[in-house]
Amino acid sequence: DQQVKQNSPSLSVQEGRISILNCDYTNSMFDYFLWYKKYPAEGPTFLISISSIKDKNEDGRFTVFLNKSAKHLSLHIVPSQPGDSAVYFCAASGPNDYKLSFGAGTTVTVRA
Amino acid sequence: KAGVTQTPRYLIKTRGQQVTLSCSPISGHRSVSWYQQTPGQGLQFLFEYFSETQRNKGNFPGRFSGRQFSNSRSEMNVSTLELGDSALYLCASSVRGGQGRLETQYFGPGTRLLVL
Repeated sequence: DQQVKQNSPSLSVQEGRISILNCDYTNSMFDYFLWYKKYPAEGPTFLISISSIKDKNEDGRFTVFLNKSAKHLSLHIVPSQPGDSAVYFCAASGPNDYKLSFGAGTTVTVRA
Repeated sequence: KAGVTQTPRYLIKTRGQQVTLSCSPISGHRSVSWYQQTPGQGLQFLFEYFSETQRNKGNFPGRFSGRQFSNSRSEMNVSTLELGDSALYLCASSVRGGQGRLETQYFGPGTRLLVL
């Protein structure tokens, strides 16, 4: 069953505005969360991660927020740039998991 | 530092054949994982290796197998190929993945397999 869900298959945003991507998880054992970006015909590229002991992590234009009680995380990209157009995957893992569980991905299109 | 490399990048096979894919992790990385990406199923975990030992296996049939060598390089093999095996196969490596924790994984470009 799908333990990590990205319910929005696509997102369109104007250049310079904020992109907000959402992700929900069902497994309460997950304690490490990551976001990856993927261009066609390439492997996923690691963007940012957060452990369950934090509720926010920032890296340049990318910020990830974690709400453990709601089992929800989000990725904010500010400001959005044309090069951000890609598929974004949310992933999670737990202790002794030795794997990442991925969401289905959200395709982001940044309009000029 | 060189990234994760995968060979070959593209492969065409026919049903019933077998295929072997290769992955070289980032230097110093000892954990290697394999994932299958298809349009309908997204990224699905196949297996993970650390120090030549398989520590976790996904929900795939026994036709899918893998191994890791002492230099951390890994191979995966799919026997008796089916049309549904057509996918992008991704390899990822991480530094240690020990102490019950899988650290951040870095992905290779993938091998695109087409089964006719």
